[in-house]
Amino acid sequence: QSVLTQPPSVSGAPGQRVTISCTGSSSNIGANYDVHWYQQYPGIAPKLLIYGNNKRPSGVPDRFSGSKSGTSASLAITGLQAEDEADYFCQSYDISLSVVVFGGGTSLTVL
Amino acid sequence: EVQLVESGGGVVRPGGSLRLSCSTSGFTFSTYWMTWVRQAPGKGLEWLASIKPDGSEKYTVDSVKGRFTMSRDNAENSLFLQMNSLRAEDAAVYYCARVSGRSSYDADYWGQGTLVTVSS
Repeated sequence: QSVLTQPPSVSGAPGQRVTISCTGSSSNIGANYDVHWYQQYPGIAPKLLIYGNNKRPSGVPDRFSGSKSGTSASLAITGLQAEDEADYFCQSYDISLSVVVFGGGTSLTVL
Repeated sequence: EVQLVESGGGVVRPGGSLRLSCSTSGFTFSTYWMTWVRQAPGKGLEWLASIKPDGSEKYTVDSVKGRFTMSRDNAENSLFLQMNSLRAEDAAVYYCARVSGRSSYDADYWGQGTLVTVSS
């Protein structure tokens, strides 16, 4: 069981907007630790998509955005494209466990 | 171009040892925190260990503490993970990654991963 909770799967049609939630607690996201998001294709290493809650590394399209509120964070993808079909993981730090923690991952299907 | 290349994975029997290496290039290795992350087949990501730029501080997750040791050679731009007393549950793809330093523990570059299989 992951410290950060994500829905196992989400789906959307091309062009639509989808969001992926990441629910934590007062010892991680709620303790004001930043949330980061990664995109991973099967058999490929994860790629940093969002860092510091809402910042995009160079080269990441602005269709991807992140937000954080209280003990939760969200990744939003607008203008969904077939190439967005992948797994997405959130990450933060947990002060009680003294360890970096990941969400269990969300599989995005583009219908 | 930033590159990280892991090596050293393979098949090992329970109780055995392996030493993973991560060779890096394209950035000033000695100024970055580095980390190892693993992913069991069909599972999520697990942050294993991190090491300070000068190697003076290391943080290891409880599940591997006392069995896995992370180290680095800044002269060779390389990172290592010594894994002892391997268990079936240690079977995974092991990634080395660079911690960007822009935020808290975000890993901005990853290697391609090396597969560790633990089987008798």
